[in-house]
Amino acid sequence: GESVGLHLPTLSVQEGDNSIINCAYSNSASDYFIWYKQESGKGPQFIIDIRSNMDKRQGQRVTVLLNKTVKHLSLQIAATQPGDSAVYFCAEKIQGAQKLVFGQGTRLTINP
Amino acid sequence: EPEVTQTPSHQVTQMGQEVILRCVPISNHLYFYWYRQILGQKVEFLVSFYNNEISEKSEIFDDQFSVERPDGSNFTLKIRSTKLEDSAMYFCASKRGLAGGQETQYFGPGTRLLVL
Repeated sequence: GESVGLHLPTLSVQEGDNSIINCAYSNSASDYFIWYKQESGKGPQFIIDIRSNMDKRQGQRVTVLLNKTVKHLSLQIAATQPGDSAVYFCAEKIQGAQKLVFGQGTRLTINP
Repeated sequence: EPEVTQTPSHQVTQMGQEVILRCVPISNHLYFYWYRQILGQKVEFLVSFYNNEISEKSEIFDDQFSVERPDGSNFTLKIRSTKLEDSAMYFCASKRGLAGGQETQYFGPGTRLLVL
């Protein structure tokens, strides 16, 4: 079951470095995956998404990699900036369903 | 850029009272959602709404919860008799959802509900 007061994994990187945030998803029937950024007190903000028929997708400074064999998703952020500091959530959608199932989140801190 | 809006930003209520949380989804979107996030925890799905009916709901979404799209723009979540454990951040989301893609769900800023 879930624990109350979840302790988030944290990742600290130096400004300008690249960061990689990892996510293990649970359902092999998931056909769509998405990364959100959440700043304190705000709603999840869309970053990038990927369908299960792809293994890589690139956006501006961000890349998502999907490994269906091991059910693993990663978000790479290039040349991190202070504004990248936030909690990052991965989410999956099972084929045929509407809901997104969120992962536990990773707190990214950018050090100056 | 169009965005999902929610009101109020904060709501404090007494246990047992009814609350209505309001959302204005992005105007050309067809699917609407409510999620919640208890402090320090994951975002959890509550309900999805399409074509004026509930298309999917979670175990959390019991008889105390209801959703409505009273007009062409608003989407509301009602909690009939609030409990202490309903205290959370409630997020509305919407997606365009046309065939062939447009799966992205866009989230509003949330309503922080505190039940005393």
